[in-house]
Amino acid sequence: GENVEQHPSTLSVQEGDSAVIKCTYSDSASNYFPWYKQELGKRPQLIIDIRSNVGEKKDQRIAVTLNKTAKHFSLHITETQPEDSAVYFCAARTPYKLSFGAGTTVTVRA
Amino acid sequence: NAGVTQTPKFQVLKTGQSMTLQCAQDMNHEYMSWYRQDPGMGLRLIHYSVGAGITDQGEVPNGYNVSRSTTEDFPLRLLSAAPSQTSVYFCASSSHLAGGRIGETQYFGPGTRLLVL
Repeated sequence: GENVEQHPSTLSVQEGDSAVIKCTYSDSASNYFPWYKQELGKRPQLIIDIRSNVGEKKDQRIAVTLNKTAKHFSLHITETQPEDSAVYFCAARTPYKLSFGAGTTVTVRA
Repeated sequence: NAGVTQTPKFQVLKTGQSMTLQCAQDMNHEYMSWYRQDPGMGLRLIHYSVGAGITDQGEVPNGYNVSRSTTEDFPLRLLSAAPSQTSVYFCASSSHLAGGRIGETQYFGPGTRLLVL
């Protein structure tokens, strides 16, 4: 089955700096890569996604890149703000299943 | 629309007890799934269903049963609870794309926190 690895497990950044989270996947059949944000005690919420036929996608301060050849994809958050503090999960979708990375706890220091 | 709902929000069980976690959605989604979330391990797929009457195993199905008699409901049954099943359980649903693929946006329920003593 699909195996998604996510790094780093924790990330502390100064407010205004950028944050980058990286994921790798193993199944070349995976064709959709969403990113979820989970605040403490809440459900995961989709923040951005990318399909396998696209290399990069941006939504305001958030961007995702995908390298299909290397089976890598990354989340970039620019100009971080305190409300960006949360756990972020990457995921990879095969036709019937969504496999998640272990998560990255992001802390934005004021 | 209520979206995806889960009950109960919190439950304490003793080892060996059985219980059912309820999940319902009102979006007419064909695809529903159950995940468990443990610290440092992300969300792991337990079981999923691509429509009424059709279920399949995910990554960690042992100790859990599911059934899908209606489009709306997808209950998760713990047959004989064990401390290793202490976790937060999330139900999710999405639309069903052509060719059997699951839809892109997964809608998660609020979660059920389960403690097995």
